[in-house]
Amino acid sequence: DARVTQTPRHKVTEMGQEVTMRCQPILGHNTVFWYRQTMMQGLELLAYFRNRAPLDDSGMPKDRFSAEMPDATLATLKIQPSEPRDSAVYFCASAVGISGGRNQPQHFGDGTRLSIL
Amino acid sequence: GDSVTQMEGPVTLSEEAFLTINCTYTATGYPSLFWYVQYPGEGLQLLLKATKADDKGSNKGFEATYRKETTSFHLEKGSVQVSDSAVYFCALVGGGSEKLVFGKGTKLTVNP
Repeated sequence: DARVTQTPRHKVTEMGQEVTMRCQPILGHNTVFWYRQTMMQGLELLAYFRNRAPLDDSGMPKDRFSAEMPDATLATLKIQPSEPRDSAVYFCASAVGISGGRNQPQHFGDGTRLSIL
Repeated sequence: GDSVTQMEGPVTLSEEAFLTINCTYTATGYPSLFWYVQYPGEGLQLLLKATKADDKGSNKGFEATYRKETTSFHLEKGSVQVSDSAVYFCALVGGGSEKLVFGKGTKLTVNP
């Protein structure tokens, strides 16, 4: 089965450090989503891309977070500088999307569990 | 804006018991509705979906019917197994949107 691959699976670092999370979407999927999961807020959409172009990043704190797709096989989510409140599980998902239409169901990676000390 | 409300649980059942997890939604237009399942340490997996009123989604013994009149999409299974222990999320994609909106999730534990 094709899978979304996320690295690293776990990351522990100190406040103020830069954190980079990576995602390899399923081959052929042109839409990539980044979510954050916490106990308090549940699942929140941070940003998403279609054909490598950002479509919506309204859920993302702009001052410290950035998301990019350097190429069709790699999406990155960076936090700089990191803060303890960023501790969460970050999920990437991919889907086949049609502009102006509904996406096919999203396929999720296993997430990056981030702890900021 | 669009929203999903589901029973928060946790829900604890014995094996072979009947399961219902309630889910109601608020959305403009005609949303598509989904149930996702998350096993410990893993990402979310699509369990079933329904894209229009009165559709029934089903998979692995789970079912949910899209009820527009009650804006509901309750998840049911007739006989749960220990392996069904997981967190279940109800979600929607609103008409005119591409973004999934999730409920808070319901943790299910099934005991032997």
